[in-house]
Amino acid sequence: DAGVIQSPRHEVTEMGQEVTLRCKPISGHDYLFWYRQTMMRGLELLIYFNNNVPIDDSGMPEDRFSAKMPNASFSTLKIQPSEPRDSAVYFCASRMLDTEAFFGQGTRLTVV
Amino acid sequence: GESVGLHLPTLSVQEGDNSIINCAYSNSASDYFIWYKQESGKGPQFIIDIRSNMDKRQGQRVTVLLNKTVKHLSLQIAATQPGDSAVYFCAENISGNMLTFGGGTRLMVKP
Repeated sequence: DAGVIQSPRHEVTEMGQEVTLRCKPISGHDYLFWYRQTMMRGLELLIYFNNNVPIDDSGMPEDRFSAKMPNASFSTLKIQPSEPRDSAVYFCASRMLDTEAFFGQGTRLTVV
Repeated sequence: GESVGLHLPTLSVQEGDNSIINCAYSNSASDYFIWYKQESGKGPQFIIDIRSNMDKRQGQRVTVLLNKTVKHLSLQIAATQPGDSAVYFCAENISGNMLTFGGGTRLMVKP
């Protein structure tokens, strides 16, 4: 397996634009996590899914953020409208029950 | 830009020495713990894990110790090498398989 695949690796967008980050988890993993990493707040859990169902989204900053998992092999994190303070590295990770999580390479988002 | 950043504790060690990185976790109900290594520009990478029914686990050059009484976790790296330089995170598995991370420690290895 190629591991967790995220796209794009880098995204630069203007304030107010919609941003969509994509993730393909490892096949057979039934948990998927979205994290955000910044210097200010470290590695924060935004939301996680089990069998494509959102379980806990209490880490999602506000209504501008939304995440979906339409099937077991794909998830998106959308920010609409984007703001400069959303600039961060966004990681997707997947795991099986009670095992370690495997991380993607991340998407570095810059909102100008 | 950000004027105030998360202050990462830094551990500086000489190449060949042993390193000990510490972590305090928050939830006494956490049942599974993981140490990750993150190099610049990359995602966190699994190093070693331990379940709450154990107090010690050894891997290749790494040992994890768990003290549930004081909710403390440590990572010991033997014969530290320059390639070990990175930020190290501990993560705890909370009920429902939610995995949350500590603030991280930067390890710098001096040649």
